[in-house]
This record gives sequence, structure tokens and C-alpha cells, in this order.
Amino acid sequence: AQKITQTQPGMFVQEKEAVTLDCTYDTSDPSYGLFWYKQPSSGEMIFLIYQGSYDQQNATEGRYSLNFQKARKSANLVISASQLGDSAMYFCAMRAVGGTSYGKLTFGQGTILTVHP
Amino acid sequence: ETGVTQSPTHLIKTRGQQVTLRCSSQSGHNTVSWYQQALGQGPQFIFQYYREEENGRGNFPPRFSGLQFPNYSSELNVNALELDDSALYLCASSLSSGGVGEQFFGPGTRLTVL
Repeated sequence: AQKITQTQPGMFVQEKEAVTLDCTYDTSDPSYGLFWYKQPSSGEMIFLIYQGSYDQQNATEGRYSLNFQKARKSANLVISASQLGDSAMYFCAMRAVGGTSYGKLTFGQGTILTVHP
Repeated sequence: ETGVTQSPTHLIKTRGQQVTLRCSSQSGHNTVSWYQQALGQGPQFIFQYYREEENGRGNFPPRFSGLQFPNYSSELNVNALELDDSALYLCASSLSSGGVGEQFFGPGTRLTVL
């Protein structure tokens, strides 16, 4: 079984500053992928960034980077130069390969990010 | 390249009724997954369809059922609706089943059960 834990129900950041959203995971699968999604109030899930368990380097996508520490089973999202439009719910998710996982995504509880001007 | 679409956007039903939600996957994607997201919670996996067959199911009762069609579009059917079925239902498509790859989500259908 997989489990995702996001311990920050809400985070606040000043515009143009960087913010880190925490995510820890638990799995016994040797191969898995870690994802971050953004969900605005409209409800759609927007893919931000992906990190494979065997990737040697941390993933980056524009202002988003994933701080992957495999030994600690953490996959924190770093947003640099926050913008007002970054205010949303952020979900960390995992998708494992093999066993009975069938590739389903397991989500955390989410972190609400509020960016102040 | 068209994205994932879902219909309807909103739906109101009464307890005991049946509902069908629809999803068109992203062009070229052969796998569709459905998720239920209760208010303030993360999405919960319902089931996944790969090449028209269910090949993974979460902890949901049999009254949640689905179909995938040859064009890879999909339906989620819920029978005997209960108040707790009120949620945002998300459909996601991906290129392969079980692979470590990205899932693309639709905008969701918000179901209210009265």
C-alpha cells in the first residue's frame, strides 16, 4: 500500500518569495513516480511536476522544483518567486508500478497555499 | 491535441437515484481512471480502465461501476445514490496502465445528492 502525508494544512507566502510545501510518502514498491498537482477553486487538477524513483536529479519545471530525498521518503515542492495566481490547493501524489497498484494515484490531503501581495 | 473533457459539469440528484458521468480521454491515451474527491479532501481512486477492461479498483462498493469504449472514452455509473456520494468526480487519462507516467485530469463533475 502507498501513503502520502502532507502535514501543512495551510501555508502563507509573500509575493515574489519562495515557498516549500512538504510531502512524505511510504511505499514498498521499488519503482514509483511522485507528482505534484495544483487545484484552483475551479476544481481542475493541473499537473506541475513529476519525479521518478530512479531519477538521479531533482525535477524542475520553470518556477517549480521537486526536492527529492529518497532515503527520507520525502518529495517537497519548491515554488520560487511566488505569484498571486499560485494561490490554490496543492496535492502531492504517488503512482507505483507492480503488485496490485495498477498504476493508481494515491493523493495526500493537500496544502492550501495563499500568496499575499 | 484535445485535453480530457467531462460531462456534465454539475449534477443534482436525490438519494436512491442512479447517475452516469462521462469522460473523453486525451487523444492517444488508452487508460482512464476515476477519482472521487469529497470537499476538503484529496481525491480517492475509484477504478481504472485499460483497453475496455477494469484493471484496478479502490475501496468502493459495487454500486460504483464503469465502462470504457473502443475510442477510450469512459462512463462512471453510480446506483442507489447516497448523501455521502456528493463530491467532485474526476476523470484522468494516461498513455498506459501501470506505467510510471503522467495522468491528465479533466475539469470534473460536481455531484450533489439531496
